[in-house]
Amino acid sequence: KNEVEQSPQNLTAQEGEFITINCSYSVGISALHWLQQHPGGGIVSLFMLSSGKKKHGRLIATINIQEKHSSLHITASHPRDSAVYICAVKNTGNQFYFGTGTSLTVIP
Amino acid sequence: GAGVSQSPRYKVTKRGQDVTLRCDPISSHATLYWYQQALGQGPEFLTYFNYEAQPDKSGLPSDRFSAERPEGSISTLTIQRTEQRDSAMYRCASSLNRLNEQFFGPGTRLTVL
Repeated sequence: KNEVEQSPQNLTAQEGEFITINCSYSVGISALHWLQQHPGGGIVSLFMLSSGKKKHGRLIATINIQEKHSSLHITASHPRDSAVYICAVKNTGNQFYFGTGTSLTVIP
Repeated sequence: GAGVSQSPRYKVTKRGQDVTLRCDPISSHATLYWYQQALGQGPEFLTYFNYEAQPDKSGLPSDRFSAERPEGSISTLTIQRTEQRDSAMYRCASSLNRLNEQFFGPGTRLTVL
């Protein structure tokens, strides 16, 4: 059983659509990260959060600690958003657990 | 430095050989992480350092894997007697401290023939 589960695994959207990617975890955490892995392989940290909600441009991340669930939303999606989005959680021992990622393709 | 760098970017080796991968974190970043990412999978935690201390090695898959950060800056990951299953992308990340976001390096793609 994976400590971090993401859904969906694959997602195709039309440009402009609102996108939601979900992450559920089973361990106690000190922080949750959303990462973006580009087609070329590079990884960029999008958000680190431990409660509530964060917004950066068209990206919004929320977390519900009680339900052990987080969502990443992309508003007005664009083809350049096409990437793999990875949820990762850090437990209190500073160990990281990663989801297997959600592959997003935004079609013009 | 401007970002996290890793070298080499690609390494092909024969089964049984030892390999050493290098990570140059962002200067002033205290915390450094090593991850292994198999093709099509998410990263898996290997180990991390706070300066030169290595509080957690629990993610290292076997005793063939070791990591060092002797002066609290550059780190190396060594795999002894490589096996084909070691083929993966090895990523390094650094953060200002344990509480801050991580910045990822470009990775080293290791192929064991």
